[in-house]
Amino acid sequence: DTGVSQDPRHKITKRGQNVTFRCDPISEHNRLYWYRQTLGQGPEFLTYFQNEAQLEKSRLLSDRFSAERPKGSFSTLEIQRTEQGDSAMYLCASSLSVGPTDEQFFGPGTRLTVL
Amino acid sequence: QQPVQSPQAVILREGEDAVINCSSSKALYSVHWYRQKHGEAPVFLMILLKGGEQKGHDKISASFNEKKQQSSLYLTASQLSYSGTYFCGTEIGSNYQLIWGAGTKLIIKP
Repeated sequence: DTGVSQDPRHKITKRGQNVTFRCDPISEHNRLYWYRQTLGQGPEFLTYFQNEAQLEKSRLLSDRFSAERPKGSFSTLEIQRTEQGDSAMYLCASSLSVGPTDEQFFGPGTRLTVL
Repeated sequence: QQPVQSPQAVILREGEDAVINCSSSKALYSVHWYRQKHGEAPVFLMILLKGGEQKGHDKISASFNEKKQQSSLYLTASQLSYSGTYFCGTEIGSNYQLIWGAGTKLIIKP
C-alpha cells in the first residue's frame, strides 16, 4: 500500500453514461497525475496537477475527459458519454516535488468496463 | 515518441541475471524504472537523471547513456519476487510528464 487510494476499484457502465473516479494522494504530496493503462501496455499520461492547478493535459485526451483537484487535495476524473474504447485501468499517482524530478507513488487503480 | 523496451519478455531460472533495455528517439532528461505485478499498481525502482549516472540497490541497478538516449536495468541473481512487468518512463525536458514503454515481462522460475 503506497498511501494513494482510488475509488471505486471497479466500475461497469453502459456506453453513453458518465462516470467519475476519485483519487486521494499521499497527504503532503503536491503533484498528482492521472494515467490510463490498457492490457499489455504501459501507463498513458492523461493529465497532471501541481497543487490545484492543472499544468499539463495530453493532446490525445478527448474533450469528454475532465479532471479537477479542488483545494489541492483529492482529485476527480470524469468521463462523459463513455465509449467502449474508454475501457481501461485508470491509475492515479502522486509525488512530492523535492528535486529535479519526482518518484511517483501509484494508487491501486480503477478498472472501467464500458458495455 | 514512446520509448522502445527490449526484450518484450524474458524467462529466467532463479539466480540468473537479466538486462532490460529502454531506448528513446528523443534526448532524455530522466528515465524512471517501475515494476508492476499482475493486478497491482506500478512500484518505483529508481530514477536516473541525464549525466550518465548509474544507480542501484540490492541486486537491481541501472545505467543511463545520455548520448545513446537509452537506459538499461540490470537484475543480478534474480529472485522469485522479481517477477513482473518492468516499465521505463522517460521524461523529455523537466516537465514531469512521463512517456512509458510497453513493458518487459520477466518470469522467474524456481
